Amino acid sequence: EVQLVQSGGGLVQPGGSLRLSCTASGFTLSDYYMGWVRQAPGMGLLWVSRINGDGSSISYADFVRGRFTISRDDAKSTLFLQMNSLRDGDTAVYYCARLGVRGAFDIWGQGTAVTVSS
Amino acid sequence: DILMTQSPNSLSVTPGEPASISCRSSQSLLHRTGYTYFDWYLQRPGQSPQLLIHLGSNRASGVPDRFSGSGSGTDFTLKISRVEAEDVGVYYCMQTLQIPYTFGQGTKLKI
Repeated sequence: EVQLVQSGGGLVQPGGSLRLSCTASGFTLSDYYMGWVRQAPGMGLLWVSRINGDGSSISYADFVRGRFTISRDDAKSTLFLQMNSLRDGDTAVYYCARLGVRGAFDIWGQGTAVTVSS
Repeated sequence: DILMTQSPNSLSVTPGEPASISCRSSQSLLHRTGYTYFDWYLQRPGQSPQLLIHLGSNRASGVPDRFSGSGSGTDFTLKISRVEAEDVGVYYCMQTLQIPYTFGQGTKLKI
């Protein structure tokens, strides 16, 4: 079965760090672009970051650039999002997703909640 | 950034009746290759989003044929021919033509 299983997340103080993981099964991670999307409580979806198949092309939304780092370990079939200098406004459910045919997010993880609060 | 604007923000539909959601982008989503990088997603309550339509009009695998996508350039429409109870949730449009990828604000469908 093709799926993405997420881990990490939790409660962190402002200024702190967290690392999210997203493990793929049923497909070869290196064959696909992958991305992260977040959803603040009661709000809509917001694209965060994207990485290509070999990690040579990475993009970020302006509101996380310089603080978040997307990476991948294809040997472990795992995508990561390292989040540093966290702010209250980063509180959200974070989803990893596969960019499938022609740029659509065709497979999504179950989501992991990140709460930034003192 | 490409702005995506959906309408309406919410709609209430009787089961068996049709429904339609519109999405407008602030610039054309047509790529030089001829593909239009526009998608529709459904997020059911308490669930992750799921892909319904990609490239403007192509149903994703497993999506019932009561869902259809149409449009081109900057104006797109998602139609549900006969709404069922399981269609409840929030519908989002999204563009992946240009970084940053952007979503519409969402349309909540209620029964």
